[in-house]
Amino acid sequence: GDSVTQTEGPVTVSESESLIINCTYSATSIAYPNLFWYVRYPGEGLQLLLKVITAGQKGSSRGFEATYNKETTSFHLQKASVQESDSAVYYCALGDRPGTGSNRLTFGKGTKFSLIP
Amino acid sequence: GPKVLQIPSHQIIDMGQMVTLNCDPVSNHLYFYWYKQILGQQMEFLVNFYNGKVMEKSKLFKDQFSVERPDGSYFTLKIQPTALEDSAVYFCASSLVGQGYAEQFFGPGTRLTVL
Repeated sequence: GDSVTQTEGPVTVSESESLIINCTYSATSIAYPNLFWYVRYPGEGLQLLLKVITAGQKGSSRGFEATYNKETTSFHLQKASVQESDSAVYYCALGDRPGTGSNRLTFGKGTKFSLIP
Repeated sequence: GPKVLQIPSHQIIDMGQMVTLNCDPVSNHLYFYWYKQILGQQMEFLVNFYNGKVMEKSKLFKDQFSVERPDGSYFTLKIQPTALEDSAVYFCASSLVGQGYAEQFFGPGTRLTVL
């Protein structure tokens, strides 16, 4: 079946430094799955951060970027300069249903990020 | 933004009893999902639901599980009877459309503890 592997947390960096959370995927039923990053801020529910549905494209939101790399089957999340408000758990996910009516997501285990105090 | 609500936030139940987990999806959404997350593991897809029918279910969706959304009320996950391995956090999600790229909106989860 499908699988997603991401950086094992927790990850800590200093404010204003860069952050990268690695994500690699394996999709057995589809060549080019849809790729997502979801985020859970403290005390809140899971919400979409960004998505990319076309291989080779880059998605961005709130200063974060991720590029869909089909050669390396990767979708790493990066931010150039982190802030306290970025502290959260980040989840990489793939969707392997190109059509309608049968959408489902396969998630990684999540990576907890916080600033070095 | 749009919110999905889940009731209750935490449920403790004895093994063998029935439990119903309730989800109030985003009001105009048409597709509904349940995911299960065991402590320390990733969230896993259980089932999706559209137009009164289960569209797809995973192998985790045992015969003891059922879902329904009667007359546009709560979208529910019922487990009857419960087993120890059903202890997990259950997340409900909804989406406006069913395409594979559609954003799913998630609830905060219901923590189910089966004793």
